[in-house]
Amino acid sequence: RKEVEQDPGPFNVPEGATVAFNCTYSNSASQSFFWYRQDCRKEPKLLMSVYSSGNEDGRFTAQLNRASQYISLLIRDSKLSDSATYLCVVNRNNDMRFGAGTRLTVKP
Amino acid sequence: EAQVTQNPRYLITVTGKKLTVTCSQNMNHEYMSWYRQDPGLGLRQIYYSMNVEVTDKGDVPEGYKVSRKEKRNFPLILESPSPNQTSLYFCASKTAKNIQYFGAGTRLSVL
Repeated sequence: RKEVEQDPGPFNVPEGATVAFNCTYSNSASQSFFWYRQDCRKEPKLLMSVYSSGNEDGRFTAQLNRASQYISLLIRDSKLSDSATYLCVVNRNNDMRFGAGTRLTVKP
Repeated sequence: EAQVTQNPRYLITVTGKKLTVTCSQNMNHEYMSWYRQDPGLGLRQIYYSMNVEVTDKGDVPEGYKVSRKEKRNFPLILESPSPNQTSLYFCASKTAKNIQYFGAGTRLSVL
């Protein structure tokens, strides 16, 4: 079993839709959590950190459920520019583990 | 501009010909690492370095070497490349709050 698992997708949604991704992790001692965005053939870039209380950044909302060991990302009012692969990242003692990514395509 | 710079961006080589991919960061980060990314497998860590002269193996270190003689530089060395090392490679440096900054990537093909 992989340490960090994501549904690879692809998720194909129309502009304006709300879409949610989940990610599960296996190590209960994991300490910090992140969502990164990766455009095709480019480097991953931080989208947002994920806090226990949940956090929001504009159209993006991240949630953490430690009891069930999953994190989620909600994107509201999807834009064409949101098309990318979203990587779930889990950290424990400087050991960063990446999910394989969920691919999102937003269509006109 | 804060950045991680890796070179070359693209490289085609032949089996057994030693190569080095350079990585440099200008953010004074102590922690640096190398990843490879393969379809369906996500990013897997090759080596990491917590500070100058300190390096440790990641998940897939076989066939790779690294060095950290200075804080800003963390080169990746393939002494004898093989076709299974064909991949997309990323160098990264990390803040104390575990935010990683990645280089633009090096696409390596070993024939």
